[in-house]
Amino acid sequence: TQLLEQSPQFLSIQEGENLTVYCNSSSVFSSLQWYRQEPGEGPVLLVTVVTGGEVKKLKRLTFQFGDARKDSSLHITAAQPGDTGLYLCAGGHPPGTYKYIFGTGTRLKVLA
Amino acid sequence: NAGVTQTPKFQVLKTGQSMTLQCAQDMNHEYMSWYRQDPGMGLRLIHYSVGAGITDQGEVPNGYNVSRSTTEDFPLRLLSAAPSQTSVYFCAVRQGRTEAFFGQGTRLTVV
Repeated sequence: TQLLEQSPQFLSIQEGENLTVYCNSSSVFSSLQWYRQEPGEGPVLLVTVVTGGEVKKLKRLTFQFGDARKDSSLHITAAQPGDTGLYLCAGGHPPGTYKYIFGTGTRLKVLA
Repeated sequence: NAGVTQTPKFQVLKTGQSMTLQCAQDMNHEYMSWYRQDPGMGLRLIHYSVGAGITDQGEVPNGYNVSRSTTEDFPLRLLSAAPSQTSVYFCAVRQGRTEAFFGQGTRLTVV
């Protein structure tokens, strides 16, 4: 069992729909990062959330860090085919360490 | 400025063979790590290093060895390859607790 569980594992939606991806843990993280990975490439950072309850927006993407800093969500508004990819959350555990672990991943496919 | 360079990009090994996956960075970042990614899955941490001469185990260290003699290089050694080690391997570097930069990956098949 991985420390960071993501749901759903797979998601296939039509262009223009909204979606939410979740990243959950039973442990506290000092911060969480979200990455997107495209086929054949390494993950690329989207955002880092640090403060419990924090909300960050990146164009049509909204990221939230849970109040207890054990979970995070990624909401995409009006999804586009260019949003297709593998979304990964990651954090240092134990908190404050350099031992960065990744979540199980959510594979998103947006159909035109 | 190459960033993070992994070699080779592809490798096929026979069970029991040994090999070394190379990771080199020109970013002068202190923290380097190795992950493996199985099909459709997230990344799992194998080993990591916070600086030259300092390494530690990650989530799935068995069957792998690492060393860090310089800031630039962090090789991953498979001592006796097994089919369960078939995976895509990524090297990542970061400075402090900020963004991680990844190499292009090494796709390893053990037959």
